Amino acid sequence: EDKVVQSPLSLVVHEGDTVTLNCSYEVTNFRSLLWYKQEKKAPTFLFMLTSSGIEKKSGRLSSILDKKELSSILNITATQTGDSAIYLCAVGAGGTSYGKLTFGQGTILTVHP
Amino acid sequence: GAGVSQSPSNKVTEKGKDVELRCDPISGHTALYWYRQRLGQGLEFLIYFQGNSAPDKSGLPSDRFSAERTGESVSTLTIQRTQQEDSAVYLCASSLFLGVGGRSYEQYFGPGTRLTVT
Repeated sequence: EDKVVQSPLSLVVHEGDTVTLNCSYEVTNFRSLLWYKQEKKAPTFLFMLTSSGIEKKSGRLSSILDKKELSSILNITATQTGDSAIYLCAVGAGGTSYGKLTFGQGTILTVHP
Repeated sequence: GAGVSQSPSNKVTEKGKDVELRCDPISGHTALYWYRQRLGQGLEFLIYFQGNSAPDKSGLPSDRFSAERTGESVSTLTIQRTQQEDSAVYLCASSLFLGVGGRSYEQYFGPGTRLTVT
């Protein structure tokens, strides 16, 4: 059974701090790893990492995929209160699992002013 | 439309009643997915539609759950004889699709329907 584990489960920081969120996976026939930000109900897409794109950056956010270690990190620099949210990691596989994402339990990030 | 839309946004129902949840995917997205998110937990895959192919129903938790999709448009998720453990946020997502084995596309989520079974 495909499995995704995120750590830490929760994190409290102050504005301006840098945070690193972790995601590890055990998936048969890995195809992609995705990061989402969830503030209320709808997860908002951040990044997708694949074998052909193992590093992505957008503003203060960046993410790296380590296929050897079966893991990924999401970095947020100079955090702001608006970064407070649940960050979800999900993995897409091929074969009979094609199409569906397996999600981790999420990391709750709280940024204090 | 501009994004994935879902209705209703909230639904409170009595145990034993049937409910129907609706999802309108992004125009042009041929793949549509349903997930469930219980309080404090990650998303659980329920079902996946792609064009006219048979849906992947492997995540449906029981035969009380069913879903339909008309062509490449609206989908409805039906839960019959609701139980308290069905209380959750039901999220719909859609994506492009370029064939099994083709490149992967990110899934875009709707705002969800919060279902409360009393």
